[in-house]
Amino acid sequence: QSVLTQPPSVSAAPGQKVTISCSGSSSNIENNYVSWYQHVPGTAPKLLIYENNKRPSGIPDRFSGSKSGTSATLGITGLQTGDEADYYCGTWDSSLTVNWVFGGGTKLTVL
Amino acid sequence: QVQLQESGPGLVKPSETLSLTCAVSDGSVSSGGYYWSWIRQSPGKGLEWIGYIYYSGNTNYNPSLKSRVTISVDTSKNQFSLRLSSVTAADTAVYYCARGSFRFGADYWGQGTLVTVSS
Repeated sequence: QSVLTQPPSVSAAPGQKVTISCSGSSSNIENNYVSWYQHVPGTAPKLLIYENNKRPSGIPDRFSGSKSGTSATLGITGLQTGDEADYYCGTWDSSLTVNWVFGGGTKLTVL
Repeated sequence: QVQLQESGPGLVKPSETLSLTCAVSDGSVSSGGYYWSWIRQSPGKGLEWIGYIYYSGNTNYNPSLKSRVTISVDTSKNQFSLRLSSVTAADTAVYYCARGSFRFGADYWGQGTLVTVSS
C-alpha cells in the first residue's frame, strides 16, 4: 500500500481534460514539494511537474500541477492518444527519516 | 544534460546478492544537493523507492528493504551502486537509477535494467 493515494485509472476522450489526484499527509505532501511523472512501460519515467506546479523545459503547458494542503492534482488538457501512460506523484516524507515516496500510479486511457 | 546508465547482471539466483551500477555523465555525483537514488518497478506494480546516497555519502533506505540494501558511491568513477542481498522472486523488477533533489524530485533517470531472480 502506497503512502500517497492515487486513483488506479482515469479515462477521457481525445481533446478532453482529465485530472489525477494524489492524497497524502502532513508528513509528506503538505510540507514538501510534489512532482509528477509520466511513465510509459519499457521507458524511463519522465518528470512532468516539479515544485508542485512548475514544468521542466520541453513539457507542454497542457500539463499542470497544483497542491492544496495534503493533496495534489495533475491536470492534462487537450488529451492526445500519446498521453496514454501511467502517471505517478512523488514527494519527500519526513515522518521518521527523510524518505522519497510515490503514489501507486494512475493508468490514463485516452478513449 | 545529465545522463544515467544502469548496468549489471540481468539474472540473479534466489538467496544471492543483486548488484547494479549507475554511471553518471554530464554531471557529478559529488555535486551538492542531489540524492542519487535507486527505484524499481516490479511486474504489474508501481514505482518503489529503494534508497538514496547523498553527495556527502549519507544514505537512507526504504524501511521495507533496509535490512538488505546497501548503496555506495565511487566518486573517482562518477558512479553509484546498489546491492540487494538475499533476493527472492519478489525482487524481480526493472531497476532505475535517478538523480533526486528536494526541489525537482527525480529529474533525471536511467533507462532501467530488468533483473530477474530465478534459479
